[in-house]
Parts: sequence; structure tokens; C-alpha cells
Amino acid sequence: NAGVTQTPKFRVLKTGQSMTLLCAQDMNHEYMYWYRQDPGMGLRLIHYSVGEGTTAKGEVPDGYNVSRLKKQNFLLGLESAAPSQTSVYFCASSYTFSSPLGNEQFFGPGTRLTVL
Amino acid sequence: AQKVTQAQTEISVVEKEDVTLDCVYETRDTTYYLFWYKQPPSGELVFLIRRNSFDEQNEISGRYSWNFQKSTSSFNFTITASQVVDSAVYFCALSEEYSGAGSYQLTFGKGTKLSVIP
Repeated sequence: NAGVTQTPKFRVLKTGQSMTLLCAQDMNHEYMYWYRQDPGMGLRLIHYSVGEGTTAKGEVPDGYNVSRLKKQNFLLGLESAAPSQTSVYFCASSYTFSSPLGNEQFFGPGTRLTVL
Repeated sequence: AQKVTQAQTEISVVEKEDVTLDCVYETRDTTYYLFWYKQPPSGELVFLIRRNSFDEQNEISGRYSWNFQKSTSSFNFTITASQVVDSAVYFCALSEEYSGAGSYQLTFGKGTKLSVIP
């Protein structure tokens, strides 16, 4: 099993450009998440999904959109990239624990995005 | 106020020393979970432990141990006889409900960078 994979690993954008980050998991997990990690800030939740066709906002959703058309994929879109979106983006997935509060999350390797 | 506070930004220890990473959390919920994740220099995040709010038993796993105290809202992590491979950033995280039933969020602390010097 590949676990959680992210495409691409690195990307450089110019301000105003758009792009989509792809996250795929082969563990049949219901839940998927997108985080951003900035120096000294820890990880902050952007959006998450509790199942195919459903998405919800996290702590820092502005400037991002997501879609979960297939259970195994979770896409993160930047419609008009800004320098403030320079970050490392992590995707994660989790199975349904006895309580969703207790879901252990499996993380992808990250995507390093630079917006000039 | 931060929901999860890891006051130690960076710690350096010499190999074989014991080290404790502090985590203090804040929540109004009675039901919540606490986690520790490890991020080695390679960058991926690795789950270490999960603890729910009703289970205050300390946990030991090899050289790792965790001390959960609700009275002080702390969930501290101790590495005994540290090794160079323990060098990583360690994150404490809190999972709680928000925006009503069915929605929940995992909030991470800012992390503690541990360097184990040979």
C-alpha cells in the first residue's frame, strides 16, 4: 500500500496563478484533511471531508477550495495564489475510530509551495 | 489564547539523557482526545499516541512515556535515554467538537524541536 500520496512534491507559482494539489489514499479511509504548515505555527486545518461528496471548512479556509468527488481523492485548489499561501501543505486521512474525535491521522509527505 | 501550548520551542540534549516535552491544552469540552505526532527531518508526520479525556492512566511504550493530568490540563511526553534518531519536531494536538455535533477539529501546538547530540 502506498498510504497517502501527494502530487506535486514541489511547485513555484506566480501571484494570481491557480493550481490544484492532489491527495490520494489507498486505505479506504472515510476522512480526509488538508493542512498547511508554516514556520513556528504548527499545522493548521484548511478544509476536511468526512466522506465522498462532503467537505467542511477548517481553521484557515480562505483562499482555498476543495473537492472530494471520489473517496480516495481529496483535491485542494488555489484559484488565485498569493504570497501568503507560500507554505508546506499536508494531506491526511483517517479511518473511523470509535469516535471521530479519536481518529488517528495518516499523513502524506507534503507539498512545498512557493508563491512569488 | 492558544488551545494547545508547547512552551518549549527548541530543546537540545546529549544522547542518553532523559527529556520531557511539555504540552498544555485548553478546552471546555468534557470529551476530547489528545495526540502526539513526530515529524522527523524527512518531513512526514508520524502518529505516536492517542489519549481520550476519560483515561488518565499514564502510558509507557519502550523509551517513550506520557503523563496525562486533567487537573493541570497537561499531556507531557518523556523520552528516556534519548537517541540521535529521536531528533525531530514533536507536535501535541487536541481533538474536540466545534460548530455543533458532528464537526470536530484537530488543533496542533506549534511544536517542539528536539535535537539529540551524540
